[in-house]
Amino acid sequence: AQTIHQWPVAEIKAVGSPLSLGCTIKGKSSPNLYWYWQATGGTLQQLFYSITVGQVESVVQLNLSASRPKDDQFILSTEKLLLSHSGFYLCAWSQRSSYAEQFFGPGTRLTVL
Amino acid sequence: GEKVEQHQSTLSVREGDSAVINCTYTDTASSYFPWYKQEAGKSLHFVIDIRSNVDRKQSQRLTVLLDKKAKRFSLHITATQPEDSAIYFCAARNMGYKLTFGTGTSLLVDP
Repeated sequence: AQTIHQWPVAEIKAVGSPLSLGCTIKGKSSPNLYWYWQATGGTLQQLFYSITVGQVESVVQLNLSASRPKDDQFILSTEKLLLSHSGFYLCAWSQRSSYAEQFFGPGTRLTVL
Repeated sequence: GEKVEQHQSTLSVREGDSAVINCTYTDTASSYFPWYKQEAGKSLHFVIDIRSNVDRKQSQRLTVLLDKKAKRFSLHITATQPEDSAIYFCAARNMGYKLTFGTGTSLLVDP
């Protein structure tokens, strides 16, 4: 069975500090990977997707970057956090088909002060 | 780009009644429409989906209807139970991998 882990579970960070969030998928080779952001009480915004190692597509510009260093790993980062980065960050995976359902990780709750 | 609207921010029903959540989309090229459920403080859980080559799909108590002419799709839940209470998000995807979500409908099932 496939499992998806995200780390850390929660973070409290200062404005201007760097950030790195991680996501790992076990039990599935060559998945599509996705990053989403959800403001408190808000909708989900797709940030990035990746269909293969080393390739990441940006969907929206929020002063964040993403990388896929391994087939089963997806990293979200920024060098300088803004207050507007606060929210719930979700990683998801799917089969290769664009019609495939996405399976979401447990999420990382980020508070920027 | 695609815009997905959920017109009901909240929906309250009695246990055992049916619930209907409606969504509209703007991009005629959208061809895949999933629904997700989010319980308070938790992640998203896939509920049901429909592709544009059909106009109806049913899975147990859930049915999703798609009206491509009106660019509208809806989630129907029959025999609602308290555990159905959650926020339901609809989404739409055109060719490619970008998924656009609606704003969510908070469903409350009163026991």
